[in-house]
Amino acid sequence: DIQMTQSPSTLSASVGDSVTITCRASQSISSWLAWYQQKPGKAPKLLIYKASSLESGVPSRFSGSGSGTEFTLTISSLQPDDFATYYCQQYNSYPLTFGGGTKVEIK
Amino acid sequence: QVQLVQSAAEVKKPGASVKVSCKASGYTFSTYGITWVRQAPGQGLEWMGWISAYNGDTNYAQKLQGRVTMTADTSTSTAYMELRSLRSDDTAVYYCARVYRIAARPVPGWFDPWGQGTLVTVSS
Repeated sequence: DIQMTQSPSTLSASVGDSVTITCRASQSISSWLAWYQQKPGKAPKLLIYKASSLESGVPSRFSGSGSGTEFTLTISSLQPDDFATYYCQQYNSYPLTFGGGTKVEIK
Repeated sequence: QVQLVQSAAEVKKPGASVKVSCKASGYTFSTYGITWVRQAPGQGLEWMGWISAYNGDTNYAQKLQGRVTMTADTSTSTAYMELRSLRSDDTAVYYCARVYRIAARPVPGWFDPWGQGTLVTVSS
């Protein structure tokens, strides 16, 4: 199985900050990676697919990059609505696997 | 708009079975797949498997093999996930999501949108 490791597990930031979340795969997954945002008590929401493609309707302050084994999700200017938990997910091979999540908290 | 609506919360005893439904609307059901993901209280996301609504092909997470069955009824645009021999560690919110297929790839792609989730509690 491909292990997905996210860092940090928790991130404290202020409104307006630029933040970066890292996701590392235990083996190459090309660009077969998605990012999701989840708020408490809600279902996850797709932000990015194929490592860097922004889902329709997602604000442009979200961006994804990377390929192979190392990927990043960047939020360029953190907004109050962005405080949530973020997950990466690989769809290179079975079983599909998620990272452990990164909680973005208000500093 | 594309929407997935799941069945209501369930409380089950250990050893019982549960069947969760996921009704799709706003798109042609048979042209996508449906995946199931669960989330134990306070924990991360765990992929359970998926079904192609086109031909009924399935792929399940190995740890659930033998206990889970996913089906899709194209006449009602509804997918189902049945989990048997329930244990306390099956207590979780169960989500369905539409899954994108990528041409020429055997593995499905990303998940969008998601259902609202169904809480399954396993307790004696």
